[in-house]
Amino acid sequence: QVQLVESGGGVVQPGRSLRLSCAASGFTFSNYGMHWVRQAPGKGLEWVAVIWYDGSDKYYADSVKGRFTISRDNSKNTLYLQMNSLRAEDTALYYCTGFDMWGQGTVVTVSS
Amino acid sequence: DVVMTQSPLSLPVTLGQPASISCRSSQSLVHSDGNTYLSWFQQRPGQSPRRLIYKVSNRDSGVPDRFSGSGSGTDFTLKISRVEAEDVGVYYCMQDTHRPPWTFGQGTKVEIK
Repeated sequence: QVQLVESGGGVVQPGRSLRLSCAASGFTFSNYGMHWVRQAPGKGLEWVAVIWYDGSDKYYADSVKGRFTISRDNSKNTLYLQMNSLRAEDTALYYCTGFDMWGQGTVVTVSS
Repeated sequence: DVVMTQSPLSLPVTLGQPASISCRSSQSLVHSDGNTYLSWFQQRPGQSPRRLIYKVSNRDSGVPDRFSGSGSGTDFTLKISRVEAEDVGVYYCMQDTHRPPWTFGQGTKVEIK
């Protein structure tokens, strides 16, 4: 059974950092490009970042470029999102996804 | 970046009746490999998104056949042949032809009249 389980969300002050994780199971993680997609409260879906199946390529939305870093550890079947210099507008539910599968999301709240 | 525009943004429907959602892209979604990478997602209240359709018209595993996708170029449609109560939620189109970035439509909220 395919499963993606995000963790690491929480409440953080502006300017601080947070690291999200996504544990994958039930499929061959190392064969899949993986994305982070976020959803601000009451808003639509916003693509954040992608990493190729082998980690060889990464791309970011302009809104997070230079602040967020996506990475993966295929030996641990885990996807990461390192979020630095967080802003209030980064407040959202963050999903780990391959688009044909989605996690339940982890909530990030940036507030002083 | 490719802009995806959905209409309507709100769609009240009667149970058992058909429903249709439009998605237009700011440029053609035909990829150089000949495929058109347009997907549809359903997000039920309080749930994560779920992909229904990929490459315009291919239904994902387990998706009821009352859902169908069509279109070409810049104009795409998601149709529900007979709306059921479990179809309530927000529907998004997404393009992954001209990426990065991957871009979503604003979402269409389907509710029962």
